[in-house]
Amino acid sequence: AQSVSQHNHHVILSEAASLELGCNYSYGGTVNLFWYVQYPGQHLQLLLKYFSGDPLVKGIKGFEAEFIKSKFSFNLRKPSVQWSDTAEYFCAVSSYSGGGADGLTFGKGTHLIIQP
Amino acid sequence: DADVTQTPRNRITKTGKRIMLECSQTKGHDRMYWYRQDPGLGLRLIYYSFDVKDINKGEISDGYSVSRQAQAKFSLSLESAIPNQTALYFCATSDSLTGSRAFFGQGTRLTVV
Repeated sequence: AQSVSQHNHHVILSEAASLELGCNYSYGGTVNLFWYVQYPGQHLQLLLKYFSGDPLVKGIKGFEAEFIKSKFSFNLRKPSVQWSDTAEYFCAVSSYSGGGADGLTFGKGTHLIIQP
Repeated sequence: DADVTQTPRNRITKTGKRIMLECSQTKGHDRMYWYRQDPGLGLRLIYYSFDVKDINKGEISDGYSVSRQAQAKFSLSLESAIPNQTALYFCATSDSLTGSRAFFGQGTRLTVV
């Protein structure tokens, strides 16, 4: 079974600081990787995804993530955070089996607070 | 209009009551999912359905049942609600042909008292 581990449950940063949220997964086969964001009071939205190709993927709102296969990692980065980035961030993985994708497995989430 | 719609958005129910959460989608996707979100635990998969005739248990299916009434509708039932089923519930859809990106509903906040 696949699993996802997010390293930090709570992160507090000041505006303009750089951000890196860690995500590691355990699964030996082909995976699709995702980062979702949940702003206060809202539903989850997709930030970015990796299916194949360039391991450095760029998403919305200046976020990017790098897939490092050898480390089973998919860390989320942003060079300069804003107060509006305050939210819960979820890393997720889906595996391929039998020609189709299975349900998503989520990490426990990282609560990011940006201080003005 | 939202692509994935959940009803109700909020519900308070008593222990032992039966409750149904409904999900409908206009994406035309074949796959639908029910997750619950608890603080500190992230999202956990309850049930998923790959098409109308296919229902699969997820990580935490005990105490829940589902019905896939049509390709666009996937309902989640709590036969006899208990307080530890208090959570935020999300329905999601994905398309098996184009990959596994999931589209989420806005969530249903369920409180069992």
